[in-house]
Amino acid sequence: EDKVVQSPLSLVVHEGDTVTLNCSYEVTNFRSLLWYKQEKKAPTFLFMLTSSGIEKKSGRLSSILDKKELFSILNITATQTGDSAVYLCAVGTSGTYKYIFGTGTRLKVLA
Amino acid sequence: EPEVTQTPSHQVTQMGQEVILRCVPISNHLYFYWYRQILGQKVEFLVSFYNNEISEKSEIFDDQFSVERPDGSNFTLKIRSTKLEDSAMYFCASSQQGARGTEAFFGQGTRLTVV
Repeated sequence: EDKVVQSPLSLVVHEGDTVTLNCSYEVTNFRSLLWYKQEKKAPTFLFMLTSSGIEKKSGRLSSILDKKELFSILNITATQTGDSAVYLCAVGTSGTYKYIFGTGTRLKVLA
Repeated sequence: EPEVTQTPSHQVTQMGQEVILRCVPISNHLYFYWYRQILGQKVEFLVSFYNNEISEKSEIFDDQFSVERPDGSNFTLKIRSTKLEDSAMYFCASSQQGARGTEAFFGQGTRLTVV
């Protein structure tokens, strides 16, 4: 059965800290890995990764994929209270039309 | 910026009643999805829709559920006879290609409460 696992489940840090969120997967015919930020309602898209070793970056957020070891990390540097959210990892596979989501990492950034 | 819109934002219904959740996907997208998230749990896939037919569905998507694209813009999820366990946040999403190639964009969700 296809599986996406995120760690840690929750994390509390102080403003200015750097955090690393992990996503590992076991799926058949991996195609892409996506990171989303979920604050109150809708997941909002952050990154899509398809190639190993290529870092995607947007401001203080960056992400990289390791297809050999079957995981991805999401880094957030100089965290702010506005980064508090649940971060979701989802995997798309060839041969299906669905994205498989992990349980998410709940990040709380304290002022 | 184009976005997926969902209505209503919150619906309360009595057990056994039918509900229709509505979505307007991003206009040039071809693939449409419904996901749900029970409070405190992970986002779960329900169904994907392409070329006016269901392309894939999960075990959750049983005979009580149906989807329709009644016109060129709306995409609906119908639950025929709601159960208490159908209470969840329902997200509509759309993408240009399927999960194989492009990201999906999500609407703000409809919170369904079955009483």
